[in-house]
Amino acid sequence: GAGVSQSPRYKVAKRGQDVALRCDPISGHVSLFWYQQALGQGPEFLTYFQNEAQLDKSGLPSDRFFAERPEGSVSTLKIQRTQQEDSAVYLCASSPGVNQPQHFGDGTRLSIL
Amino acid sequence: GNSVTQMEGPVTLSEEAFLTINCTYTATGYPSLFWYVQYPGEGLQLLLKATKADDKGSNKGFEATYRKETTSFHLEKGSVQVSDSAVYFCALSVDTGGFKTIFGAGTRLFVKA
Repeated sequence: GAGVSQSPRYKVAKRGQDVALRCDPISGHVSLFWYQQALGQGPEFLTYFQNEAQLDKSGLPSDRFFAERPEGSVSTLKIQRTQQEDSAVYLCASSPGVNQPQHFGDGTRLSIL
Repeated sequence: GNSVTQMEGPVTLSEEAFLTINCTYTATGYPSLFWYVQYPGEGLQLLLKATKADDKGSNKGFEATYRKETTSFHLEKGSVQVSDSAVYFCALSVDTGGFKTIFGAGTRLFVKA
């Protein structure tokens, strides 16, 4: 079956532009997570959804970061007024339920010039 | 707070050598523990997990035992293969209202033929 799909795979933007990253989780998965992974580091938690409810957004680094999952399936991570320090790989993961192993997408590599 | 510390890499071994990658954690509550692996050019995938003290997770010849007394979850394999070359991430999740997952920084393993 299809895994977690993220798009685009690569995104280059100029500092100050807004970007939107998309995640298509595995069908039927209740839980959805976003992570930020800097080069040579482990993924850092950004936010968590259970269906359409955003239950934890404590990892979002600033109010420029916004995530939504309006119908409980596809999710979008938006970054406004991008800065160079936002350059990273953004990973999406989904799982069937709470505290179940997560299935990861291949990520979106974001480069801010 | 919750955190994961794993041994720094890279770790370089010859084929058929014994592997240990150390992982220790701090957590409030009762965490579940995971090892994820990232093969070259691929996304993160779950390798094994343990959900309570003294549980042993195992998969593909890898094992890790949840040691509450030493707050550790060391990854071991008796005989590594070249195909095991990858980055290994130790992780924990705790029910803090969102089952946030905390990852270690990752340990890169190189296995030489």
